[in-house]
Amino acid sequence: RKEVEQDPGPFNVPEGATVAFNCTYSNSASQSFFWYRQDCRKEPKLLMSVYSSGNEDGRFTAQLNRASQYISLLIRDSKLSDSATYLCAVLRLGGFKTIFGAGTRLFVKA
Amino acid sequence: GAGVSQSPRYKVAKRGQDVALRCDPISGHVSLFWYQQALGQGPEFLTYFQNEAQLDKSGLPSDRFFAERPEGSVSTLKIQRTQQEDSAVYLCASSGPRADEQFFGPGTRLTVL
Repeated sequence: RKEVEQDPGPFNVPEGATVAFNCTYSNSASQSFFWYRQDCRKEPKLLMSVYSSGNEDGRFTAQLNRASQYISLLIRDSKLSDSATYLCAVLRLGGFKTIFGAGTRLFVKA
Repeated sequence: GAGVSQSPRYKVAKRGQDVALRCDPISGHVSLFWYQQALGQGPEFLTYFQNEAQLDKSGLPSDRFFAERPEGSVSTLKIQRTQQEDSAVYLCASSGPRADEQFFGPGTRLTVL
């Protein structure tokens, strides 16, 4: 079993839809959590960090559930430009080794 | 401002050749990471530097892989006697003292024939 797991998708949604992704992690010593966005043949870019209390940035909301060891990303009012692969990443306590999931592909259609 | 740059962007090597991949991090960033990303997968951690010190190299897949950052800025990832399974995109990322917000370079796409 991989340390960080994501549903690979693809998720095909119409513009304006709300879509949610989950990411599970197995190492309870994980400390910090992130969502990155990666466009085709481009580098990953940090979308948002995930805090224990949950956080929101415009149309994007991230949640952390330590008891069940998962993080989630909610995208409201999807735009065509949201089409990308969304990677979750986990940083272990006291370390620098960041573990990435394999990514969830999202296609937003007109 | 300048982001993370990597060179070359594309590299084709014959099996058995040695390759060297370069990373120029964001100026002032103390942390530097190398990742390997295979098609359809997320980045896999290779190694981490804090300034010139290589603090974690647990992700290097074999002793054919070697990384250095002698002056705490530019880093080089060297792969000796390349194999076909080394074909991947090699990403470099840098960040401030904490590993949280990492800025990635465009990657080097290595193809081993």
